[in-house]
Amino acid sequence: GQQLNQSPQSMFIQEGEDVSMNCTSSSIFNTWLWYKQDPGEGPVLLIALYKAGELTSNGRLTAQFGITRKDSFLNISASIPSDVGIYFCAGQLTDSWGKLQFGAGTQVVVTP
Amino acid sequence: NAGVTQTPKFQVLKTGQSMTLQCAQDMNHEYMSWYRQDPGMGLRLIHYSVGAGITDQGEVPNGYNVSRSTTEDFPLRLLSAAPSQTSVYFCASSYPLGGLNTGELFFGEGSRLTVL
Repeated sequence: GQQLNQSPQSMFIQEGEDVSMNCTSSSIFNTWLWYKQDPGEGPVLLIALYKAGELTSNGRLTAQFGITRKDSFLNISASIPSDVGIYFCAGQLTDSWGKLQFGAGTQVVVTP
Repeated sequence: NAGVTQTPKFQVLKTGQSMTLQCAQDMNHEYMSWYRQDPGMGLRLIHYSVGAGITDQGEVPNGYNVSRSTTEDFPLRLLSAAPSQTSVYFCASSYPLGGLNTGELFFGEGSRLTVL
């Protein structure tokens, strides 16, 4: 079954605010990935993390691979209307090459 | 490059019917996979393939068959559709980084299947 706990489930924020979401697991992952899905589209990769403790930025997005290898977070700074969508974390267990597991997603709604 | 192409985009089936969801990629990716997406459950891995002639089961393989005769194509077959298979299906491909890491997944636009 699903081993990733992603929170929050949804967020309603005002334009310009910062957004933070995270994923946790009881298992150790060797890869954490963050995807965004727009309505009617497939998910698109935002940030990939491959080392414990790694902190990576992509524009207004910042993600970190937790030191324990059991969690990861994604921050979006100064949100804009096009940040609307569903954000997914995904991870690969150390002994499960090729099998990415996805969190349930965080629905982000940005209001003007 | 077209990336990952899925057909059909929409399909309605009756219980017991069979069909094949097609997936093709033109990026010479070794790794291909099928996911299903259901409300509130994220994406769940059905089957995956690390190269032509090699397939393996994911988290929810029951009711689905796959084959990988070429690098480019990875069709997903439903032999006898059931209402529980109503979902949005995504095909994804990747060129593995090597070792234990899975590289970036490139997703198709999805195939929305309804089983009545």
